[in-house]
Amino acid sequence: EDQVTQSPEALRLQEGESSSLNCSYTVSGLRGLFWYRQDPGKGPEFLFTLYSAGEEKEKERLKATLTKKESFLHITAPKPEDSATYLCAVQAGYSGGGADGLTFGKGTHLIIQP
Amino acid sequence: DARVTQTPRHKVTEMGQEVTMRCQPILGHNTVFWYRQTMMQGLELLAYFRNRAPLDDSGMPKDRFSAEMPDATLATLKIQPSEPRDSAVYFCASGLVIRTADQETQYFGPGTRLLVL
Repeated sequence: EDQVTQSPEALRLQEGESSSLNCSYTVSGLRGLFWYRQDPGKGPEFLFTLYSAGEEKEKERLKATLTKKESFLHITAPKPEDSATYLCAVQAGYSGGGADGLTFGKGTHLIIQP
Repeated sequence: DARVTQTPRHKVTEMGQEVTMRCQPILGHNTVFWYRQTMMQGLELLAYFRNRAPLDDSGMPKDRFSAEMPDATLATLKIQPSEPRDSAVYFCASGLVIRTADQETQYFGPGTRLLVL
């Protein structure tokens, strides 16, 4: 069974204080690992897809990295508008029922204080 | 700006009533997913369609939930009869896959927040 575990559950940072969010996963093959941002009352907003170990992607203050067992979302010099819940999800590489669906972690609730 | 749309955004109903949620995927996307989000379980896959054909509904309680895609621009999720434990946020997502087993990015709608009293 595919599993995704995110840590920490919640993180409070001062504006400008850099940190990393962790996503550990077990999956039958990995077709893709996804990071989403979710604001209260809204749907998940796509951030990144990573396909293979060693891959990195960046967007503004965010950088996502991938190893064979985990992914990190690094936040550099965050601002209050970066406050949100960050969700990690995996898509399995096997074919068959449900394989195209995403298995999500519970998320990291990030608060950036001014 | 292409987006997934969902209606209604909020629904309050009484136990035993029928609930129908609708989703319009992004134009040109060929895969539509239904997810449910609760505080306890997080986001869980309920069912999905590709090219309007149902591929999997193993995450859905079969006795009360049904999902259909009457045309390429409309997907529906129906609960009959509804129960308090169905209270959750239901998200629709759409994506485009060219070849089976290709990676696809899923784009989510704003969700339908359902409360069953």
